[in-house]
Amino acid sequence: AQKITQTQPGMFVQEKEAVTLDCTYDTSDPSYGLFWYKQPSSGEMIFLIYQGSYDQQNATEGRYSLNFQKARKSANLVISASQLGDSAMYFCAMREVNQAGTALIFGKGTTLSVSS
Amino acid sequence: DAGVTQSPTHLIKTRGQQVTLRCSPKSGHDTVSWYQQALGQGPQFIFQYYEEEERQRGNFPDRFSGHQFPNYSSELNVNALLLGDSALYLCASSLHRDRGRHWGNTEAFFGQGTRLTVV
Repeated sequence: AQKITQTQPGMFVQEKEAVTLDCTYDTSDPSYGLFWYKQPSSGEMIFLIYQGSYDQQNATEGRYSLNFQKARKSANLVISASQLGDSAMYFCAMREVNQAGTALIFGKGTTLSVSS
Repeated sequence: DAGVTQSPTHLIKTRGQQVTLRCSPKSGHDTVSWYQQALGQGPQFIFQYYEEEERQRGNFPDRFSGHQFPNYSSELNVNALLLGDSALYLCASSLHRDRGRHWGNTEAFFGQGTRLTVV
């Protein structure tokens, strides 16, 4: 069963507008972490923001915020005031912690295109 | 402070050959994970190394093996290469924390990847 679902293959936004990238997850573990990464065409995965399952407040990092709705198992990324440099692939990931390790499980990603 | 470094950046191999990819973790990190990212897909977890042992493994065949050295650097080896092994291979480093403790934001830092093409 897919544990991370990103239903938007592509999103288009104008410069300076806000955009929301959707992510839903599935886990039975009460302790987990949710991540968003940006992957430009160069290939490197750039960490953007993290939300722990026990965190009371939604995470924010500059122009990035995470809209965490635990009951709905969603962790949407909100990018405010989009910039041309935000054009990239965005991945939502979940970290499950088991006895052995802490692998990240990724969604299929959303391609964001920002136009001027 | 050097981040995660991977070598080589690009590689072309022939079916049936063997390949070794290398990764140096971020300074202060002791855990290395490897991921395979096929074109247009999200990364898939291959395995994770900590204290020079494979601690966790994803759904990959035994052709995929690895090693971690005392300085925490790691290698990924793939034997008997198939066309389907063509992908971007990403290395991620992190700091190991026991599950019983609050481990907070132990995000994985990724390298720039090695793009492997099997022909």
